[in-house]
Amino acid sequence: DTGVSQDPRHKITKRGQNVTFRCDPISEHNRLYWYRQTLGQGPEFLTYFQNEAQLEKSRLLSDRFSAERPKGSFSTLEIQRTEQGDSAMYLCASSLLAGGENTGELFFGEGSRLTVL
Amino acid sequence: GEDVEQSLFLSVREGDSSVINCTYTDSSSTYLYWYKQEPGAGLQLLTYIFSNMDMKQDQRLTVLLNKKDKHLSLRIADTQTGDSAIYFCAEGPYNFNKFYFGSGTKLNVKP
Repeated sequence: DTGVSQDPRHKITKRGQNVTFRCDPISEHNRLYWYRQTLGQGPEFLTYFQNEAQLEKSRLLSDRFSAERPKGSFSTLEIQRTEQGDSAMYLCASSLLAGGENTGELFFGEGSRLTVL
Repeated sequence: GEDVEQSLFLSVREGDSSVINCTYTDSSSTYLYWYKQEPGAGLQLLTYIFSNMDMKQDQRLTVLLNKKDKHLSLRIADTQTGDSAIYFCAEGPYNFNKFYFGSGTKLNVKP
Protein backbone atom coordinates (compact mmCIF):
# COMPACT_ATOMS: atom_id res chain seq x y z
CA ASP A 1 0.00 0.00 0.00
CA THR A 2 1.48 3.31 -1.08
CA GLY A 3 -0.63 5.60 1.05
CA VAL A 4 -3.71 7.72 0.47
CA SER A 5 -4.41 8.42 -3.17
CA GLN A 6 -6.75 11.01 -4.64
CA ASP A 7 -8.12 11.41 -8.12
CA PRO A 8 -8.09 13.57 -10.13
CA ARG A 9 -5.16 15.67 -8.98
CA HIS A 10 -6.48 18.70 -10.77
CA LYS A 11 -9.93 19.50 -12.12
CA ILE A 12 -10.89 22.61 -14.07
CA THR A 13 -14.60 23.13 -14.56
CA LYS A 14 -17.07 25.81 -15.50
CA ARG A 15 -19.41 27.34 -12.96
CA GLY A 16 -22.58 25.30 -12.60
CA GLN A 17 -21.03 21.94 -13.50
CA ASN A 18 -20.85 18.98 -11.14
CA VAL A 19 -17.54 17.46 -10.08
CA THR A 20 -16.63 14.32 -8.19
CA PHE A 21 -13.41 13.51 -6.35
CA ARG A 22 -12.31 10.09 -5.27
CA CYS A 23 -10.17 9.10 -2.32
CA ASP A 24 -8.59 5.69 -1.71
CA PRO A 25 -7.41 5.52 1.90
CA ILE A 26 -4.79 3.25 3.39
CA SER A 27 -6.46 -0.13 3.24
CA GLU A 28 -6.80 -1.00 6.92
CA HIS A 29 -7.82 2.50 8.00
CA ASN A 30 -11.37 2.75 9.32
CA ARG A 31 -11.59 6.54 9.45
CA LEU A 32 -11.65 8.82 6.43
CA TYR A 33 -11.74 12.61 6.51
CA TRP A 34 -12.33 15.28 3.90
CA TYR A 35 -10.76 18.69 4.32
CA ARG A 36 -10.65 21.79 2.15
CA GLN A 37 -7.62 24.03 1.89
CA THR A 38 -7.51 27.42 0.23
CA LEU A 39 -4.36 29.37 -0.58
CA GLY A 40 -2.56 30.56 2.51
CA GLN A 41 -4.89 28.73 4.87
CA GLY A 42 -4.77 25.51 6.79
CA PRO A 43 -7.06 22.58 6.11
CA GLU A 44 -10.70 23.13 7.10
CA PHE A 45 -12.73 20.14 8.25
CA LEU A 46 -15.60 19.11 5.97
CA THR A 47 -16.71 15.66 7.06
CA TYR A 48 -15.55 12.28 8.29
CA PHE A 49 -16.52 8.63 8.11
CA GLN A 50 -16.00 5.73 10.40
CA ASN A 51 -16.18 2.73 8.12
CA GLU A 52 -19.20 3.47 5.90
CA ALA A 53 -20.98 5.75 8.36
CA GLN A 54 -20.74 9.51 7.91
CA LEU A 55 -20.54 10.67 11.52
CA GLU A 56 -20.08 14.40 11.28
CA LYS A 57 -20.44 17.19 8.75
CA SER A 58 -19.18 20.73 9.02
CA ARG A 59 -21.54 23.64 8.52
CA LEU A 60 -19.16 24.54 5.67
CA LEU A 61 -20.63 21.58 3.80
CA SER A 62 -23.61 23.12 2.01
CA ASP A 63 -26.34 20.99 0.44
CA ARG A 64 -24.43 21.14 -2.85
CA PHE A 65 -21.78 18.91 -1.30
CA SER A 66 -22.25 15.22 -0.70
CA ALA A 67 -19.80 12.57 0.41
CA GLU A 68 -20.10 8.81 0.47
CA ARG A 69 -18.08 5.85 1.55
CA PRO A 70 -20.34 3.02 0.45
CA LYS A 71 -18.30 -0.03 1.43
CA GLY A 72 -16.11 1.53 4.05
CA SER A 73 -13.16 1.68 1.68
CA PHE A 74 -12.87 4.43 -0.97
CA SER A 75 -14.86 7.64 -0.67
CA THR A 76 -16.25 10.17 -3.11
CA LEU A 77 -16.92 13.86 -2.63
CA GLU A 78 -19.35 15.39 -5.10
CA ILE A 79 -19.96 19.09 -5.57
CA GLN A 80 -23.05 20.01 -7.53
CA ARG A 81 -23.59 23.31 -9.35
CA THR A 82 -20.06 24.46 -8.65
CA GLU A 83 -19.39 28.08 -7.77
CA GLN A 84 -16.16 30.05 -8.07
CA GLY A 85 -15.91 30.05 -4.28
CA ASP A 86 -15.57 26.26 -4.39
CA SER A 87 -12.11 26.63 -5.94
CA ALA A 88 -9.73 25.03 -3.45
CA MET A 89 -7.62 21.99 -2.73
CA TYR A 90 -9.73 19.10 -1.45
CA LEU A 91 -7.75 16.90 0.88
CA CYS A 92 -8.52 13.39 1.97
CA ALA A 93 -6.95 11.81 5.03
CA SER A 94 -7.33 8.45 6.70
CA SER A 95 -6.50 7.06 10.09
CA LEU A 96 -6.82 3.90 12.11
CA LEU A 97 -8.83 4.05 15.29
CA ALA A 98 -8.29 0.80 17.14
CA GLY A 99 -8.41 -0.62 20.63
CA GLY A 100 -5.54 0.52 22.78
CA GLU A 101 -3.59 3.71 22.37
CA ASN A 102 -4.62 5.95 19.52
CA THR A 103 -2.87 9.14 18.55
CA GLY A 104 -5.23 10.37 15.84
CA GLU A 105 -2.44 10.60 13.28
CA LEU A 106 -3.87 11.57 9.91
CA PHE A 107 -2.34 10.28 6.69
CA PHE A 108 -3.06 12.78 3.94
CA GLY A 109 -3.30 12.36 0.23
CA GLU A 110 -1.77 14.93 -2.10
CA GLY A 111 -5.12 16.54 -2.71
CA SER A 112 -7.42 17.30 -5.63
CA ARG A 113 -7.22 20.88 -6.80
CA LEU A 114 -10.48 22.32 -8.09
CA THR A 115 -10.55 25.40 -10.29
CA VAL A 116 -13.99 26.78 -11.11
CA LEU A 117 -14.01 29.26 -14.00
CA GLY B 1 -11.86 24.70 19.00
CA GLU B 2 -11.72 26.41 15.64
CA ASP B 3 -9.22 29.16 16.39
CA VAL B 4 -5.69 27.95 15.91
CA GLU B 5 -3.27 30.73 15.11
CA GLN B 6 0.26 30.78 13.82
CA SER B 7 2.60 33.38 12.46
CA LEU B 8 2.82 33.16 8.68
CA PHE B 9 6.56 33.25 7.97
CA LEU B 10 9.87 32.42 9.58
CA SER B 11 13.29 32.76 8.00
CA VAL B 12 16.44 31.29 9.54
CA ARG B 13 19.97 30.45 8.48
CA GLU B 14 21.08 26.87 8.03
CA GLY B 15 22.43 25.48 11.31
CA ASP B 16 20.38 27.84 13.49
CA SER B 17 17.42 26.76 15.61
CA SER B 18 13.88 27.50 14.40
CA VAL B 19 10.98 28.09 16.75
CA ILE B 20 7.47 28.01 15.36
CA ASN B 21 4.66 29.13 17.65
CA CYS B 22 0.97 28.34 17.80
CA THR B 23 -1.93 29.35 20.01
CA TYR B 24 -5.22 27.49 20.29
CA THR B 25 -8.48 28.10 22.07
CA ASP B 26 -10.03 24.73 22.91
CA SER B 27 -9.05 23.74 26.44
CA SER B 28 -10.57 20.29 25.88
CA SER B 29 -8.07 19.43 23.16
CA THR B 30 -6.52 16.10 23.95
CA TYR B 31 -3.77 15.97 21.37
CA LEU B 32 -1.79 18.72 19.69
CA TYR B 33 0.07 18.06 16.47
CA TRP B 34 2.67 19.45 14.15
CA TYR B 35 2.36 18.58 10.48
CA LYS B 36 4.80 19.42 7.69
CA GLN B 37 3.79 20.16 4.11
CA GLU B 38 6.37 20.24 1.37
CA PRO B 39 5.53 21.68 -2.07
CA GLY B 40 3.26 19.35 -4.05
CA ALA B 41 3.02 16.84 -1.22
CA GLY B 42 0.40 15.95 1.35
CA LEU B 43 0.65 16.96 4.99
CA GLN B 44 2.79 14.61 7.02
CA LEU B 45 2.76 14.24 10.79
CA LEU B 46 6.01 15.36 12.38
CA THR B 47 5.18 14.92 16.01
CA TYR B 48 2.37 15.20 18.53
CA ILE B 49 1.99 15.85 22.24
CA PHE B 50 -0.66 14.67 24.65
CA SER B 51 -2.30 17.47 26.58
CA ASN B 52 -1.04 16.28 29.97
CA MET B 53 2.57 16.68 28.87
CA ASP B 54 4.68 19.81 28.97
CA MET B 55 7.44 18.77 26.64
CA LYS B 56 8.30 16.12 24.11
CA GLN B 57 11.64 15.65 22.37
CA ASP B 58 12.18 13.63 19.24
CA GLN B 59 15.67 13.91 17.73
CA ARG B 60 16.00 17.49 16.41
CA LEU B 61 12.41 18.34 17.34
CA THR B 62 11.26 19.70 20.69
CA VAL B 63 7.61 20.43 21.39
CA LEU B 64 6.66 22.64 24.32
CA LEU B 65 3.10 22.93 25.58
CA ASN B 66 1.86 25.63 27.94
CA LYS B 67 -1.71 24.58 28.73
CA LYS B 68 -2.42 27.60 30.87
CA ASP B 69 -1.67 29.98 28.00
CA LYS B 70 -2.83 27.50 25.31
CA HIS B 71 0.51 27.92 23.58
CA LEU B 72 2.37 25.29 21.61
CA SER B 73 5.79 25.60 20.06
CA LEU B 74 7.98 23.51 17.80
CA ARG B 75 11.73 23.92 17.98
CA ILE B 76 13.88 22.49 15.21
CA ALA B 77 17.54 22.27 16.17
CA ASP B 78 20.30 22.60 13.56
CA THR B 79 17.82 23.60 10.86
CA GLN B 80 18.66 22.29 7.40
CA THR B 81 17.59 23.50 3.95
CA GLY B 82 15.49 20.33 3.70
CA ASP B 83 13.40 21.64 6.60
CA SER B 84 12.04 24.40 4.35
CA ALA B 85 8.30 23.75 4.23
CA ILE B 86 4.99 24.88 5.70
CA TYR B 87 4.38 23.74 9.27
CA PHE B 88 0.84 23.36 10.55
CA CYS B 89 -0.23 23.21 14.15
CA ALA B 90 -3.42 21.21 14.80
CA GLU B 91 -5.57 20.26 17.77
CA GLY B 92 -7.83 17.28 18.23
CA PRO B 93 -10.30 15.99 20.82
CA TYR B 94 -10.24 12.64 22.65
CA ASN B 95 -12.48 10.98 20.06
CA PHE B 96 -10.53 12.29 17.04
CA ASN B 97 -13.77 13.28 15.32
CA LYS B 98 -12.34 16.45 13.84
CA PHE B 99 -9.10 18.34 13.89
CA TYR B 100 -8.55 22.08 13.64
CA PHE B 101 -5.52 23.38 11.83
CA GLY B 102 -3.72 26.68 11.94
CA SER B 103 -3.02 28.57 8.74
CA GLY B 104 0.56 27.33 8.62
CA THR B 105 3.99 28.87 9.10
CA LYS B 106 6.23 28.94 6.05
CA LEU B 107 9.79 28.21 7.14
CA ASN B 108 12.52 29.40 4.82
CA VAL B 109 16.01 28.13 5.54
CA LYS B 110 18.81 30.12 3.95
CA PRO B 111 22.10 28.37 3.20
